[in-house]
Amino acid sequence: DVKVTQSSRYLVKRTGEKVFLECVQDMDHENMFWYRQDPGLGLRLIYFSYDVKMKEKGDIPEGYSVSREKKERFSLILESASTNQTSMYLCASKLGRGLYEQYFGPGTRLTVT
Amino acid sequence: AQKITQTQPGMFVQEKEAVTLDCTYDTSDPSYGLFWYKQPSSGEMIFLIYQGSYDQQNATEGRYSLNFQKARKSANLVISASQLGDSAMYFCAMRENWGAQKLVFGQGTRLTINP
Repeated sequence: DVKVTQSSRYLVKRTGEKVFLECVQDMDHENMFWYRQDPGLGLRLIYFSYDVKMKEKGDIPEGYSVSREKKERFSLILESASTNQTSMYLCASKLGRGLYEQYFGPGTRLTVT
Repeated sequence: AQKITQTQPGMFVQEKEAVTLDCTYDTSDPSYGLFWYKQPSSGEMIFLIYQGSYDQQNATEGRYSLNFQKARKSANLVISASQLGDSAMYFCAMRENWGAQKLVFGQGTRLTINP
């Protein structure tokens, strides 16, 4: 079974703090994704990575950066957290460029106060 | 422009009944894929079913089937013989172009199964 894990289920941070969300997958997938999920908006793509050290912006990259130093690990960084970044963050991974589904982690619910 | 539209924010169904969750999409690309995911209260997104734009037959996976009507650009999820464990959020998603990695998601439908 594919396993995607995220470092925290719940996280509370203060405005202005630097926040790291970690995601690890154990199936040697090339592609990894970070989404945020907000009520009524579904999931929106923040960034994705198709290889180590490679990244592409998604639909809402502002205020976020990412890092992929190893194939299995994809980190989402909030350089200076703001209250409008309070959300559920979901990481996903996917094999190759073919018609494969994405596998999701359990999510991190981040609250910025 | 909204590419995936799920018009039912919430649905309530009696256990053992069949349920149809609506999804319409918008694309000019002839090559695309459509996905349905389930998100229980635990938060994890679970892949349910996939339909490719060139697939001749509707996809089926156990109690799940996808009613694909290409001309109408709809990809409704049908769950037969609903169970209490089917209560969850359901998301429709689309990937345009076989080579693209990005999924675009709809707003979701919250399904509640009543005993």
